[in-house]
Order: sequence, then C-alpha cells, then structure tokens
Amino acid sequence: QQQVKQSPQSLIVQKGGISIINCAYENTAFDYFPWYQQFPGKGPALLIAIRPDVSEKKEGRFTISFNKSAKQFSLHIMDSQPGDSATYFCAAFKMAGTALIFGKGTTLSVSS
Amino acid sequence: ETGVTQSPTHLIKTRGQQVTLRCSSQSGHNTVSWYQQALGQGPQFIFQYYREEENGRGNFPPRFSGLQFPNYSSELNVNALELDDSALYLCASSLDRGSNQPQHFGDGTRLSIL
Repeated sequence: QQQVKQSPQSLIVQKGGISIINCAYENTAFDYFPWYQQFPGKGPALLIAIRPDVSEKKEGRFTISFNKSAKQFSLHIMDSQPGDSATYFCAAFKMAGTALIFGKGTTLSVSS
Repeated sequence: ETGVTQSPTHLIKTRGQQVTLRCSSQSGHNTVSWYQQALGQGPQFIFQYYREEENGRGNFPPRFSGLQFPNYSSELNVNALELDDSALYLCASSLDRGSNQPQHFGDGTRLSIL
C-alpha cells in the first residue's frame, strides 16, 4: 500500500512557466511534509517543508499548497528554469515516527 | 559546516558477499537514518539510530544491520547480498529524532550486485 501518492511521473515545462507537482496521503498521523530535489548522482536535498496547521508556504520561487481536508499537498515552481530540471520527491513524516515516507518522484524537464 | 558524507561512492559485490557502508553525520546531529533507493523509485526507510541505539526499523530483513558510534557516525551492514540489493543507499542525519527535525541526506553509495 502506497502511503504517499505522487503525480505526475514526469513533467515538461517551458522556461518561465509554472511547474506543479501533486501529492496525496491517507494517514492523518502525518504531521510534516517536506519536498526534496534530487539531481542525477546526488542525494535528495531538502527544498521546502510544511506542517498541517499552515495552508501555504512560500520560499523564493517555490510554494507548497496544503489542503488538510482533502489530504493533498502540492509544489509549485514559479518562473521555472532549466536548472530546476531534476527529480522531485514529496514525503511525509508521522508524528512520533522515525521514517520519511516518500512518493515515487516526478522527473521535471524545463526546456529552454 | 560539513554536510553528510558517505563512503564509498560506488561498490561492486557478488551474490552472497557482505558489505559495509559508512556515513558521517552533519556536525551536531545525533540521529542517523538509512534509506534504500532503487532505480526510478523514492527512498525506502531501512532503520534509524539515535544516540547509538536503533530507534526504528522499516520492512527490511535482519541481514540489514547497523551501528552508530559515539561520534554519531554510522555503518550499514548487509549480509548474504542478493541481486535485488542493487540500489543507491542513502544516509540522512538530523539534529534530533522526531518530525520537527529535518533530515539532510548525503550523496549515497551506489551498490551493484553481480
């Protein structure tokens, strides 16, 4: 059973466009939702994170939108750049837990 | 500030062999978690160590074992290697355990089993 479902699997966006990646979860015990960015040959790097008491968090060009009632959250990348081309993972962490539960990832390609 | 470092970066083993992977946590971090990332997949939690004790374990068999040392560095040991163990093994450290402490990843060890 996949606890965190991520879509789409791949995404192609033109330079300057908005990239949107969606995630859904089932377990209401999750209380921390980070997004990681991974380049080929590198480990995942923490990009931005949100907790369920906040509906939106913005850091530079990256915004997380969080819908607690729908159990969904999404990453928006504004003014997408070729350097943003990478694999993005959403994740969830359970209150009093130990493990990050990852989605399957979205490969983003930003064309110039 | 030094980030999470892992060694070796690449390793090739054959079925049935044993392997040890190493991780140095970020300065000041007392919690280390290990993840397995198969090609094209998200990382899967193996286990976590907090102050030298195992603090949680994912759905991996006992031939996956670990250690954490007094300086909070850590090892992942895998016995009786199988072809399906071929993956990127990631170590993540955090300031403390719990969801209020972000996990920061190293660049991983790429393990190939022949």
